[in-house]
Amino acid sequence: QKEVEQNSGPLSVPEGAIASLNCTYSDRGSQSFFWYRQYSGKSPELIMSIYSNGDKEDGRFTAQLNKASQYVSLLIRDSQPSDSATYLCAVRFYGNNRLAFGKGNQVVVIP
Amino acid sequence: NAGVTQTPKFRILKIGQSMTLQCTQDMNHNYMYWYRQDPGMGLKLIYYSVGAGITDKGEVPNGYNVSRSTTEDFPLRLELAAPSQTSVYFCASWQGTGYEKLFFGSGTQLSVL
Repeated sequence: QKEVEQNSGPLSVPEGAIASLNCTYSDRGSQSFFWYRQYSGKSPELIMSIYSNGDKEDGRFTAQLNKASQYVSLLIRDSQPSDSATYLCAVRFYGNNRLAFGKGNQVVVIP
Repeated sequence: NAGVTQTPKFRILKIGQSMTLQCTQDMNHNYMYWYRQDPGMGLKLIYYSVGAGITDKGEVPNGYNVSRSTTEDFPLRLELAAPSQTSVYFCASWQGTGYEKLFFGSGTQLSVL
């Protein structure tokens, strides 16, 4: 069973700090990686996608991909209370039309 | 553009009842998905479709059925509802080519009692 794992518990960070989230995946051949944000009671929304090793920055968000180690991470710089949400890692496995999600990490930004 | 529309938003079923969750999109997307999300958990794929007439099972298909007769519609059928099917159900779609972004519906909260 191909898996996407997010094992960290809820993350509390003070406003203005950096929040760091990690995700590992089981299929070495995976090509497409995503971070979705989900506010409580709402549907997920895409915030970052990454396809190549290295860093990809978009505003206060940076996605990092390391295919050799099979992990993808998300950094949220200058965290704001509006960043309080659950962040879902998603992976499209090689040769597959499915998009598999991890269980998510809750982030709470404390003013 | 309405995007992805799911109905109903809430539903309570008795054990053994059946129902259909409706999903329609107006973006001419080829790929459509049904996910379920249990409390504190991520999304589990139930079924997906890559085009009209083509469907395939996801991770947790037991107890569900789908059909895709048109590009726009992808209904999810629950037969003989069980308490284990209590969950929030999300329908999602994307074009299938180019920039990969899932568009989600607003979800259906289903309780089976």
